Amino acid sequence: DIQMTQSPSSLSASVGDTVTITCRASQGIRVSLAWFQQKPGKPPKSLVYGASTLHSGVPPRFSGWGSGTEFTLTITSLQPDDFGTYYCQQYAGYPRTFGQGTKVDVK
Amino acid sequence: QVQLVESGGGVVQPGGSLRLSCTASGVTFSRYPMNWVRQAPGKGLEWVANIAYDGSGPNYADSVRGRFTISRDNSKNTLYLQMSSLRVDDTAVYYCVRDDVGGHRDWGQGTQVTVSS
Repeated sequence: DIQMTQSPSSLSASVGDTVTITCRASQGIRVSLAWFQQKPGKPPKSLVYGASTLHSGVPPRFSGWGSGTEFTLTITSLQPDDFGTYYCQQYAGYPRTFGQGTKVDVK
Repeated sequence: QVQLVESGGGVVQPGGSLRLSCTASGVTFSRYPMNWVRQAPGKGLEWVANIAYDGSGPNYADSVRGRFTISRDNSKNTLYLQMSSLRVDDTAVYYCVRDDVGGHRDWGQGTQVTVSS
């Protein structure tokens, strides 16, 4: 199975900050990488697919980068609505696997 | 607007069975692969199973293979998850998820499954 490792596991940031979350795959997955945002008590929301393509309606302050085994999700000018937990997931093969999550909260 | 509505969750004893359903609207259900993803209390997301648009080639997580069966009825726009030999560690919110280009796209609100004696 392909293991996905996110870092950090949590971070504190202020409105207006730029934050970057890293996701590493245990083997190469080309660009078969997605990012999701989840708020407490809610289902996840799909943000990015293909490592860098934003789903429709996702604000451009979100950006994804990477290929192979190293990926990042960057949020520039963090907004109050951006706090929550972020997950990466590889869909290069089965079983599909998620990272353990990165919780972004208010400093 | 795509809507995925799960049902069938509840409380069941260890060793018991349960069938989850997910009804889709606002989308041509028969065109898309579908998934179940779960989240145990206070934990992260775990992909459970996947089925192709035509019902072929189901795939399962190791943790559920042999106990869970994913299926679909395209005439009813409905996805199913038959769960048997349930264990305490199957306790989770179960989400129905539609795939599109680039994997998971739309998520249901989830249904709670609690396995407890």
